[in-house]
Amino acid sequence: GAGVSQSPSNKVTEKGKDVELRCDPISGHTALYWYRQSLGQGLEFLIYFQGNSAPDKSGLPSDRFSAERTGGSVSTLTIQRTQQEDSAVYLCASSLAQGGQPQHFGDGTRLSIL
Amino acid sequence: AQKVTQAQTEISVVEKEDVTLDCVYETRDTTYYLFWYKQPPSGELVFLIRRNSFDEQNEISGRYSWNFQKSTSSFNFTITASQVVDSAVYFCALSEARRGYQKVTFGIGTKLQVIP
Repeated sequence: GAGVSQSPSNKVTEKGKDVELRCDPISGHTALYWYRQSLGQGLEFLIYFQGNSAPDKSGLPSDRFSAERTGGSVSTLTIQRTQQEDSAVYLCASSLAQGGQPQHFGDGTRLSIL
Repeated sequence: AQKVTQAQTEISVVEKEDVTLDCVYETRDTTYYLFWYKQPPSGELVFLIRRNSFDEQNEISGRYSWNFQKSTSSFNFTITASQVVDSAVYFCALSEARRGYQKVTFGIGTKLQVIP
């Protein structure tokens, strides 16, 4: 079956521009996560969606970052007025809702801010 | 608050050596889950194993084994007879088990380099 799909795989943009990153989770997975991974670093939690519950946005680094999940499926992470420090790989993962379910990760979007 | 500590940031071993990756966790929950993920140079994170807090049996899968000890809050990962294909970054992770809520906390990862 299809895994987690992220697009684009690579994005290069100029500082100050807005970007949108897309994540298409595995069908039936109600939990969806966004992480950021800077070069050689670990996973930085950004936001977590669980079904129809209010998302956990506690990891978003600034108000330039936002995310939504439409219809409980596809999610979009938006970064406004991008800065060079936003350059990183943005990873999306999904899982079933029950406790202890492993996350399935997409290949990530490599974002480069010039 | 949850916390996962992987004190070893980078390890290098010669092929066929055994290597243990350490993971220490902190949580106030009595029910929780622990995971290991592998991120090869190609980049995609791959799930390796899950353990729940009530199951302290060690597990072996081929050359991989995991040692879960609640008394020391550790969930260590051993690779026996390492191979070059084991070169990757390995992440330990912890998740709560609250109903309908499963936030996952990752360690910073241990980069393993297996030298031929």
